[in-house]
Amino acid sequence: AQRVTQPEKLLSVFKGAPVELKCNYSYSGSPELFWYVQYSRQRLQLLLRHISRESIKGFTADLNKGETSFHLKKPFAQEEDSAMYYCALSGKTSYDKVIFGPGTSLSVIP
Amino acid sequence: NAGVTQTPKFRVLKTGQSMTLLCAQDMNHEYMYWYRQDPGMGLRLIHYSVGEGTTAKGEVPDGYNVSRLKKQNFLLGLESAAPSQTSVYFCASRRPGTSNYGYTFGSGTRLTVV
Repeated sequence: AQRVTQPEKLLSVFKGAPVELKCNYSYSGSPELFWYVQYSRQRLQLLLRHISRESIKGFTADLNKGETSFHLKKPFAQEEDSAMYYCALSGKTSYDKVIFGPGTSLSVIP
Repeated sequence: NAGVTQTPKFRVLKTGQSMTLLCAQDMNHEYMYWYRQDPGMGLRLIHYSVGEGTTAKGEVPDGYNVSRLKKQNFLLGLESAAPSQTSVYFCASRRPGTSNYGYTFGSGTRLTVV
């Protein structure tokens, strides 16, 4: 079964502290993994993709195929990072839909 | 370039009323999707379309119908609204062969059914 889990509904960290948002997935094959971010009352935006191995707004995520995880990390949290974060996966064929996790609400305390 | 536009942004319905949510994209995307967003449940796929004139059911299609008469528009209909359909609805689109680029989302429609 295709599934994305995010064990933490809420995560609070102090400004300047490291942050890690956990994501685990189950998928038969090699999926594409994503992190989406939704700031208060705004549309979802693609934050980063595993395939590009990029760092966006200081966030990085490493795909661990052995542990089937795709945790999102940032060494020093900023207040503007407070948002809802969704981990998501998609298959590699054209028709594949994106499956979202339940989301983690990150609150950065000043 | 507007991207993905959803109308209306907010709506309050009485139980049993009907309404249509409109999603319009100007990026010439073939694929379009309707999701609902509920606290603690993330985004769940309602219906989707892989091209003009085609639609398919997603994870939670009951109580909804869709139509894709024009490539740029994807309509979501509620024939008889129920309080369980109170949610935020997001439309998304993408081009074929771009699964690794994710979606472009609309700004959402906040629907309350009383």
